[in-house]
Amino acid sequence: SQQGEEDPQALSIQEGENATMNCSYKTSINNLQWYRQNSGRGLVHLILIRSNEREKHSGRLRVTLDTSKKSSSLLITASRAADTASYFCATGKAAGNKLTFGGGTRVLVKP
Amino acid sequence: ETGVTQTPRHLVMGMTNKKSLKCEQHLGHNAMYWYKQSAKKPLELMFVYNFKEQTENNSVPSRFSPECPNSSHLFLHLHTLQPEDSALYLCASSQQGSENTEAFFGQGTRLTVV
Repeated sequence: SQQGEEDPQALSIQEGENATMNCSYKTSINNLQWYRQNSGRGLVHLILIRSNEREKHSGRLRVTLDTSKKSSSLLITASRAADTASYFCATGKAAGNKLTFGGGTRVLVKP
Repeated sequence: ETGVTQTPRHLVMGMTNKKSLKCEQHLGHNAMYWYKQSAKKPLELMFVYNFKEQTENNSVPSRFSPECPNSSHLFLHLHTLQPEDSALYLCASSQQGSENTEAFFGQGTRLTVV
C-alpha cells in the first residue's frame, strides 16, 4: 500500500457538521502536510505539522499527529459547502522536500 | 494564484505528436517537480529538479523528457505518448534546504492522448 493513505476515501456531510479524515503512513517522516484540491485543479497547501508536534490549528482546521501509530487526522469544523474538495496528506522525509501523497479523501458538504 | 503557472491548461494530442508542457514559478524557489495525477490513483512523483539539476527520475518512461533551463522554468517534453498517459500533470516548486516547507502547485495541464 501507499505511503500516506487516507481514510475514508469519500465523506458526505451536511453543512455545519464536522469532517474528520485520517492518514496513515509507513516510514519515518520529518513532517506531514495536508493539501486540498478542487476538482481538476492544483493542490493548495493547508497545514504542516512537524514530527515533534502533536497538534496544530489553523482557522477551522485541526491536525493531529501520532508518530507512534504513524497516523494523522484532519478535522474541519463547522463545514461549509465551499469545503467540498479532495483532501490529501503528504509526508516529507528527512532528505529533501520530496513529498509522497496518499490517494485522498473526497469530501462533499451538502448545503 | 499560487505563484506557479502552467501552460497550457488543456492539451489534446495524438500518439505521434510532440508537445511540451511549461511551468514557471515566481516564488524564488530552488526546487521544482513534475507530478502525474491519474483517475483513482495517488499523485505520482515523476521528476525532481534541485538548483536546475535533476535529482530524481521515478522510473518514468523515456517518452517523457524533462528540461529545466533555470530554477524558474520547467518543461516536460512529450512524444509518442500512449492513451494511458492521459492525466492531469502538475508542476510544483518548493525551497530546498529547509526540511519543513510546503510545496506550491500550479493549476495543472489536463492531457488527453487520442
